[in-house]
Amino acid sequence: AQSVTQLDSQVPVFEEAPVELRCNYSSSVSVYLFWYVQYPNQGLQLLLKYLSGSTLVKGINGFEAEFNKSQTSFHLRKPSVHISDTAEYFCAVSEVTGRRALTFGSGTRLQVQP
Amino acid sequence: DTGVSQNPRHKITKRGQNVTFRCDPISEHNRLYWYRQTLGQGPEFLTYFQNEAQLEKSRLLSDRFSAERPKGSFSTLEIQRTEQGDSAMYLCASSQGTEQFFGPGTRLTVL
Repeated sequence: AQSVTQLDSQVPVFEEAPVELRCNYSSSVSVYLFWYVQYPNQGLQLLLKYLSGSTLVKGINGFEAEFNKSQTSFHLRKPSVHISDTAEYFCAVSEVTGRRALTFGSGTRLQVQP
Repeated sequence: DTGVSQNPRHKITKRGQNVTFRCDPISEHNRLYWYRQTLGQGPEFLTYFQNEAQLEKSRLLSDRFSAERPKGSFSTLEIQRTEQGDSAMYLCASSQGTEQFFGPGTRLTVL
């Protein structure tokens, strides 16, 4: 079984400031890692994913994340946020084999202030 | 639009009524997933289909819930004798590889 912990339920930040959203996971098997964004009353949109290879992955909208196997972390970063980045962000893992259902964290609300 | 679609987008029902939701996945995707998301939480896995076969059901899926995917195309999720605790967003996702593509969800409110 897997579990995902998002350490911050809310992150307020000013526009154009950098931001980091933290994610730690636990799993007894190999996993893929994902970050999804959810805007109000909408489904989830994939920001980026780590499958293998380089531990720094770049995604859409200027986001990037770094996989750290020893710390079992997959933190999401953006060097300069915009008002439009205000949304809920979910970290998720799935098994490499088998059903590949996603196990999500509880989410981090990013609130970008002018 | 070739994304995942879900209908209806919103459903308000009275306790004890039956409801059915539909999900139309991306056409070439053989895997289909249902998740439930309650307020302030991440989505939780409910069930999974590979083509028309339902391969796994979560313990969250009580006997009042049933899902089908006839002919490996669209899927339906039915909840019988709804309870107030069933109020949630029901999300459908489809996949052909490592990435899951999500629909907009059906928000269920049980009065």
